[in-house]
Amino acid sequence: QKEVEQNSGPLSVPEGAIASLNCTYSDRGSQSFFWYRQYSGKSPELIMFIYSNGDKEDGRFTAQLNKASQYVSLLIRDSQPSDSATYLCAVGRGNYGQNFVFGPGTRLSVLP
Amino acid sequence: GAVVSQHPSRVICKSGTSVKIECRSLDFQATTMFWYRQFPKQSLMLMATSNEGSKATYEQGVEKDKFLINHASLTLSTLTVTSAHPEDSSFYICSARDGRWGNPFFGSGTQLSVL
Repeated sequence: QKEVEQNSGPLSVPEGAIASLNCTYSDRGSQSFFWYRQYSGKSPELIMFIYSNGDKEDGRFTAQLNKASQYVSLLIRDSQPSDSATYLCAVGRGNYGQNFVFGPGTRLSVLP
Repeated sequence: GAVVSQHPSRVICKSGTSVKIECRSLDFQATTMFWYRQFPKQSLMLMATSNEGSKATYEQGVEKDKFLINHASLTLSTLTVTSAHPEDSSFYICSARDGRWGNPFFGSGTQLSVL
């Protein structure tokens, strides 16, 4: 079993819809979880991080964490074509979550 | 937010040569930096953790004698790909955290092409 798993996609949603991206992880002791967006040929950029169970909202983005189910998700409301990218789920590893294990990423395509 | 600068952004070299990639934290001190490698259409794979003033910690399967890491100051880590081969062609990305609990920021990446 891989440490962090994501559906590779592509996930296609129409403009204005909600995009739902999912991630599962295997290390039950993981404490920190991150979502990154990566455009082709570019470095990842941080969208959100979440440490506690429940929902965390930031603008159009909502991260959801369920540690019991070892599941973290990212919702993107009012999706825009500019949101089309690969979304990487990352789980902190180590005593302080000091380094990351990345999932394979989900390609999102927002159709105009 | 914090800025991590990575240089060069792109390098093309001949097989057998060595290539050095620099990663700098511009407005914070980073005792720890991380080096990742990303092959096309794949995710980032951690290669090593670079610790200021001590030896780097390499992930399983990463050759420490081939990928030399030096973290001589709190703002600079370098990755040298020695005797590069075409299979080393990849996108190399560094990241650094602002403090133990700070969120990591990524450099802009280096696209290495070995001919």
